[in-house]
Amino acid sequence: QKEVEQNSGPLSVPEGAIASLNCTYSDRVSQSFFWYRQYSGKSPELIMSIYSNGDKEDGRFTAQLNKASQYVSLLIRDSQPSDSATYLCAVREGGGNKLTFGTGTQLKVEL
Amino acid sequence: DTGVSQDPRHKITKRGQNVTFRCDPISEHNRLYWYRQTLGQGPEFLTYFQNEAQLEKSRLLSDRFSAERPKGSFSTLEIQRTEQGDSAMYLCASSAQGGRYGNTIYFGEGSWLTVV
Repeated sequence: QKEVEQNSGPLSVPEGAIASLNCTYSDRVSQSFFWYRQYSGKSPELIMSIYSNGDKEDGRFTAQLNKASQYVSLLIRDSQPSDSATYLCAVREGGGNKLTFGTGTQLKVEL
Repeated sequence: DTGVSQDPRHKITKRGQNVTFRCDPISEHNRLYWYRQTLGQGPEFLTYFQNEAQLEKSRLLSDRFSAERPKGSFSTLEIQRTEQGDSAMYLCASSAQGGRYGNTIYFGEGSWLTVV
């Protein structure tokens, strides 16, 4: 059973729209949640981290966390073609060690 | 550039050969991770060091894989008797220690391995 689940997509949105990316996780002891962006052939780049229930905003990005539902999401406002990439959801237990990743959602922002 | 550095970036090897990858973490980071990523998948955890101590190894890490971090600085990942299934991108990452939630993990550019 996968520990972190994401819809693989592709998710297609028009330029300027809001892209909504979702992730569920199975381990209730997970305490840290991360969104990484990965362009084709490149390594993951951290976009957002969130630790508490609710919303966290950073520029055009908003991460949302609901620990009761074991659900974390990423909203991208005013989507740009340069946002086209795979978005990886990752979780970590406590202050510890490894990240567990989902398979990623491919986002395509169309002109 | 003071980010995580990996070498070589690309390696093509014949099946059965040994390969070694090197990772230089961000200088003040004492935690170092190795991940493997294949096409269409997220990165999979392989192993983790805190300073020179290897604290966790994934079941994915068969006996053909070995990782070291001899002085708590750079790390090497060696794959012996490579198989075609070893073809992947090998990602190194590092982080500082501490904090209730730990610290941000930063990835290097990755080392692509192709086994032919």
